[in-house]
Amino acid sequence: AQTVTQSQPEMSVQEAETVTLSCTYDTSESDYYLFWYKQPPSRQMILVIRQEAYKQQNATENRFSVNFQKAAKSFSLKISDSQLGDAAMYFCAYRSGNTDKLIFGTGTRLQVFP
Amino acid sequence: EADIYQTPRYLVIGTGKKITLECSQTMGHDKMYWYQQDPGMELHLIHYSYGVNSTEKGDLSSESTVSRIRTEHFPLTLESARPSHTSQYLCASSDDRAYGEKLFFGSGTQLSVL
Repeated sequence: AQTVTQSQPEMSVQEAETVTLSCTYDTSESDYYLFWYKQPPSRQMILVIRQEAYKQQNATENRFSVNFQKAAKSFSLKISDSQLGDAAMYFCAYRSGNTDKLIFGTGTRLQVFP
Repeated sequence: EADIYQTPRYLVIGTGKKITLECSQTMGHDKMYWYQQDPGMELHLIHYSYGVNSTEKGDLSSESTVSRIRTEHFPLTLESARPSHTSQYLCASSDDRAYGEKLFFGSGTQLSVL
């Protein structure tokens, strides 16, 4: 069975600095997708970034980028120029190419200090 | 504006009551999901639907039931609520892309059963 592990329950960063959130996963499949979702306090969860496993190029979305290491089964999220609005729970998620079900990690709570 | 809505936002009820958590989306998505999330924990899939008259159980066993009579509406019902049902319930729909579909989440219903 596939699993997603986020080993950092909490992280903190100063405004304008860079922070990296870790995620590892376990799978025997070759066709899958990886996601980072952001859940702000009392607000809707939203997709931050996604990566197709068959793509070697790391996905980027403005200040958000990933470091996808397929062989190591690692999928970290880098947030550059951190802003106060980045404070949230961040969930790493995995989806097999054969199913519609997302498997979520336990989340990392990110605090951003002025 | 296209969105996904959940009501109520908060619900406190007594043991044994029947409740229905509402979820509606205006994006025309066929796929819809219900997740259960305990504080600071990962999301667990409890129900999903591929479209009208389609409902499936998720990975986490749940005593709740769902129905999908209309594309836009995916309510979740607990026939007899118990304190163990206390949790946050998140509804989501997907844009059903062929690869790496994006989930759109509602704001959630925080359920407390006394």
